[in-house]
Amino acid sequence: AQTVTQSQPEMSVQEAETVTLSCTYDTSESDYYLFWYKQPPSRQMILVIRQEAYKQQNATENRFSVNFQKAAKSFSLKISDSQLGDAAMYFCAYRSASYGGSQGNLIFGKGTKLSVKP
Amino acid sequence: DVKVTQSSRYLVKRTGEKVFLECVQDMDHENMFWYRQDPGLGLRLIYFSYDVKMKEKGDIPEGYSVSREKKERFSLILESASTNQTSMYLCASSSLRTSGGQNTLRREQYFGPGTRLTVT
Repeated sequence: AQTVTQSQPEMSVQEAETVTLSCTYDTSESDYYLFWYKQPPSRQMILVIRQEAYKQQNATENRFSVNFQKAAKSFSLKISDSQLGDAAMYFCAYRSASYGGSQGNLIFGKGTKLSVKP
Repeated sequence: DVKVTQSSRYLVKRTGEKVFLECVQDMDHENMFWYRQDPGLGLRLIYFSYDVKMKEKGDIPEGYSVSREKKERFSLILESASTNQTSMYLCASSSLRTSGGQNTLRREQYFGPGTRLTVT
């Protein structure tokens, strides 16, 4: 069974600086998807960024980028030029590329709470 | 924009009550999910459904049941609420679309705002 581990329960960053959130996963599959979700306080969970395992190029979305190391099974999220609005819980998630039944489900890490200091 | 709505943001119920949590999505998604979120435990899947009237147990189905009579609506039922079911409940949906003979999967799940349930 696949597992997702976020080893940093809490992180903090100064406004305008860069922070990296760690995520490792365990799987025997070769094709899968990885996600970072953001959950601001008392607000809806939203997708931040997505990475397909078959793509070697790291995904980027504006100030958010990932460092995807397939061999090491590592998927870290880098937030550049941190803003106060980036303060949130961040969840790393894994999904098999197969579909049908439970194979389409997301497997989440336990989350990292990010604080941004003004 | 995908919209997933949940019937209540906050709910307080007494032990032993039957509780209904409702989730509605407006994007014709096939898949729907119920999670509970607890500090330090992340999101845990309770039940999911990939078609009308279909349901599958997730990781922690005990004490819960679900109903999916219409494609857009997925209900979570606590038959007899207990204090250990005090939690944040999140609903999500995702799509499985077919285009040109190939499955085009929207991989991500879209989440509702959550229902914070307190059982006293």
